[in-house]
Amino acid sequence: QSVLTQPPSVSGAPGQRVTISCTGSTSNIGTRYEVHWYQQLPGTAPKLLIFANSNRPSGVPDRFTGSKSGTSASLAITGLQAEDEADYYCQSYDSSLNAWVFGGGTKLTVL
Amino acid sequence: QVHLQEWGAGLVKPSETLSLTCAVYGGSFSDYYWTWIRQPPGKGLEWIGEINHRGSTEYYPSLKSRVTISMDTSKNHFSLKLTSVTAADTAVYYCAGGRGFVDLWGRGTLVTVSS
Repeated sequence: QSVLTQPPSVSGAPGQRVTISCTGSTSNIGTRYEVHWYQQLPGTAPKLLIFANSNRPSGVPDRFTGSKSGTSASLAITGLQAEDEADYYCQSYDSSLNAWVFGGGTKLTVL
Repeated sequence: QVHLQEWGAGLVKPSETLSLTCAVYGGSFSDYYWTWIRQPPGKGLEWIGEINHRGSTEYYPSLKSRVTISMDTSKNHFSLKLTSVTAADTAVYYCAGGRGFVDLWGRGTLVTVSS
C-alpha cells in the first residue's frame, strides 16, 4: 500500500490527452512538499519528467505538464504518442515518515 | 555528464547481508544527495534511504533497522548494506542522486535473495 495513490492504469489513443492523478495527504502533498514525476520505459531506469510540481527538465517535451492542488497532484500528457507508453510514478516527501515516498505507479497504454 | 554505476552480489542467501556500491563519474560528489531506490519484480519504486555530502542519512522507517548507507568521498563511491535479507528484498536496486527529486539514475542491478 503506497503512501501516494495513483490509478494502476490509464489509456488513450494517439493524439489524445490523458491525466494521471497522485493523491496524498496533509503529511505530504498537502503541505509545502513538492511533487515530482518520473517516466519508466520498459526495461530501463526511471527518468525525471517533472520536478517541483510543474517544472520540466531540459529535453522533456512541453506535452508533459504537472500541477498540484491541495493534497493531490496531476500529470497531463497531451498529443499522446506511441513512445509515451510507460510507467509513471509520482514522488513527494512525507513528514510523518521523514522519508521520500513514491506512488504505486500508473501504466500508460497508447491504444 | 555525471553518470552512476552500481555493482555488488546478484545472489544473496536468506538471512545474509546485501551489499552494493555505486560509483559517481564525471561530477562533483558534494553536489548531490545520494540515494538507493529499489523495485521488486513487476512492482513499483521504493525509496530506501539517502546520504548527503555531510554524511547525514535518512532511511525509510520500515527498513531503518536493517539499512546502512555510507560513502567514501575519496573514491566518489557510496554504498548500501541491508542485513537479514528475505525473499521480499529481491529487487532491482538503483543508485541515484539528486536534491529532493532524483535526476541521476544508475542502470540498476538485480539482487535475488535465494538459497
